[in-house]
Order: sequence, then C-alpha cells, then structure tokens
Amino acid sequence: EPEVTQTPSHQVTQMGQEVILRCVPISNHLYFYWYRQILGQKVEFLVSFYNNEISEKSEIFDDQFSVERPDGSNFTLKIRSTKLEDSAMYFCASSDSTGGGTDTQYFGPGTRLTVL
Amino acid sequence: DQQVKQNSPSLSVQEGRISILNCDYTNSMFDYFLWYKKYPAEGPTFLISISSIKDKNEDGRFTVFLNKSAKHLSLHIVPSQPGDSAVYFCAASPFSNSGYALNFGKGTSLLVTP
Repeated sequence: EPEVTQTPSHQVTQMGQEVILRCVPISNHLYFYWYRQILGQKVEFLVSFYNNEISEKSEIFDDQFSVERPDGSNFTLKIRSTKLEDSAMYFCASSDSTGGGTDTQYFGPGTRLTVL
Repeated sequence: DQQVKQNSPSLSVQEGRISILNCDYTNSMFDYFLWYKKYPAEGPTFLISISSIKDKNEDGRFTVFLNKSAKHLSLHIVPSQPGDSAVYFCAASPFSNSGYALNFGKGTSLLVTP
C-alpha cells in the first residue's frame, strides 16, 4: 500500500540553525501539507501546497518557514532560524482530489524536531 | 481557539464491548469530518470520514454519526479489540475537496482491555 515517508525520523539542532525536513508524498497525489504537534497539544495545520504554490497557510507559518517541491517526488519544509518553540513533531500529508470527490489526507510517520 | 473539541482525554473499554468516542465542533462552516487513529511514534492513520450531507457512515467495525444541529459527531467501534488501543483524533474541514486545512481535536486515548 502506498504511503507517505519522511526523513529524518529525529532531527536535533541548535537554536538559530536552519533545518530542512523531507517528505515523499504518495506518488499520484497532487496536494501536499505540513502539520505539527507540540508535545501534549493538538495537531496544527501549517501549510498546504498545490501546483508549486501555497494554497493555504496558518498564522504559525510565518516568514521563517518555507516549502518547496524541488523535484518530482520530494516535498520539503525549511525552517530558517529555529527557535526553542519550534520543537515538535512535524507531519507531512498528501491527498488526491479526484474531482468533485471527498478528500482524505494521508499522513507520514513524522519527524521529531528538537531545538536546543 | 479550539474549534474541534474532544472532551474526554481517555476512555477504557473491555474487549468485545462498544467504544464510543465523541467530538464537538463550534464552526458551522465545517462540512467534512474525519477520524484518525494514532499509535505512538507513528503518524495519524485515516479511519473513516463523513460529509455534512450524511448523518451516518459505516465501515466494518467503525461507524461515524453526525448530528449537525448539535454540532456533534461520534465514532462507534463494535466490537472493540485490544489492537484498537490508540489515540483517536477527530478532524474537520470547511470543504471536502483537496487543499484545505484539517482542524484537529486534542484526541482521546482509547484503551481496550482483554
């Protein structure tokens, strides 16, 4: 069964450093998402991406965040200058609208980001 | 603000009995609702969904009920199995098509005991 994959599973970084989290969405999906879950809190939407453009973004997704689809398979989330409060589990998801049908977002296993 | 609420942080049920997980929402624009299951160190796994034009959707042991007037939905698992022990998240979106944010509840931890 196709699945979303994410690398690395755990990333440790120093405050102020840049990190890139990587995701390989399900191959025939066209919509890509990033969510995060801070320990003990709910899963929060960050951004959605379609046709090489951001479709929607939340207030959390400020100028320190960016997303990119550098090739035909990868989808990345970059955090330019990490802060302590960026420590969280980051989930990538993808979906495929079949045109008028309902959409289901399928999630990857997550990358645990620890900012020291 | 908490637009999707799961007021029970945990639930314990005996194997073979029914598990009922509840979810309330405040945004009347929500049109599409999903349940996800999550094991530790894994991502949320899609279970079942329902759009606002329906009041019930069934898939095997899982049934989701939607009461739009009460802004309430519930997930029934019958019969419950030990492998169902996980955290269950309710999620909602204003649109059922792609590209839109899912708003999640905080989750309910289900423990199914033998």
